[in-house]
Amino acid sequence: SQKIEQNSEALNIQEGKTATLTCNYTNYSPAYLQWYRQDPGRGPVFLLLIRENEKEKRKERLKVTFDTTLKQSLFHITASQPADSATYLCALDLGAGGTSYGKLTFGQGTILTVHP
Amino acid sequence: DAGITQSPRYKITETGRQVTLMCHQTWSHSYMFWYRQDLGHGLRLIYYSAAADITDKGEVPDGYVVSRSKTENFPLTLESATRSQTSVYFCASRDRLTNEAFFGQGTRLTVV
Repeated sequence: SQKIEQNSEALNIQEGKTATLTCNYTNYSPAYLQWYRQDPGRGPVFLLLIRENEKEKRKERLKVTFDTTLKQSLFHITASQPADSATYLCALDLGAGGTSYGKLTFGQGTILTVHP
Repeated sequence: DAGITQSPRYKITETGRQVTLMCHQTWSHSYMFWYRQDLGHGLRLIYYSAAADITDKGEVPDGYVVSRSKTENFPLTLESATRSQTSVYFCASRDRLTNEAFFGQGTRLTVV
C-alpha cells in the first residue's frame, strides 16, 4: 500500500540548532516533493518544492534534499528560532517524467518546537 | 482582495442536514482541492478539480459532493451530515506554473 511517513510527531530543539525533519514514502513515484508549514488555526503555507531530478534545494535558512532511491526527503532549518515553531508537512506530487498529475498527498506532519 | 477564501469559518450542524462549504479563489488557478484535517490522519484529499466541470474523487469522497461550474468557485456539499464528518476542512488552489498550492483559512465543522 502507499504510505507517507514523517519521522516523528514532535521534535523539540534548542534555539540556534539545526532542525532536521524526515519524510519517507513507499509505493509512490512522485514528480515533485513539497514542504509546507502550518501554524495553529491556519491553513498550510508553501515553503519549498524539489523535483525528482534534483538532489538539494535551498531557500534562506531552509534546505531540502530528495533521494528517490531511498524514497526519502530531509528538511533542515538552520539557526532555528522560536518563530520556526510550527507543524511541518511534506507532500508528494505524483506524476512522471517531471510532469505532475495535479494532486498532492500529505504526510501527517511533524510538530517542531524551538525552545529559547 | 486576491487569494483564496472559505466560508463559513465555523459551522455547527445537526446530523442528517445538508451543509455546503464555499471556496472562492481570485487567481483563476485550474486546480482546486478539498481536504479534511483530523488528529491522527493529517490532511486527506476529499475531491479535486482540474478545471471547470472536471472533478475527481480523492482518498475520502464518500458522503461529499462537489461542483465546479466556474473556475473560481469550488463548493463542497455534505449531503447528509454525520458526526464522523466533524473536522476542519481546507480548500486549496494550485498554480500550474510553480506547482505551489495555496490554502484557505479553513472551515471548522461540527456535526452534533
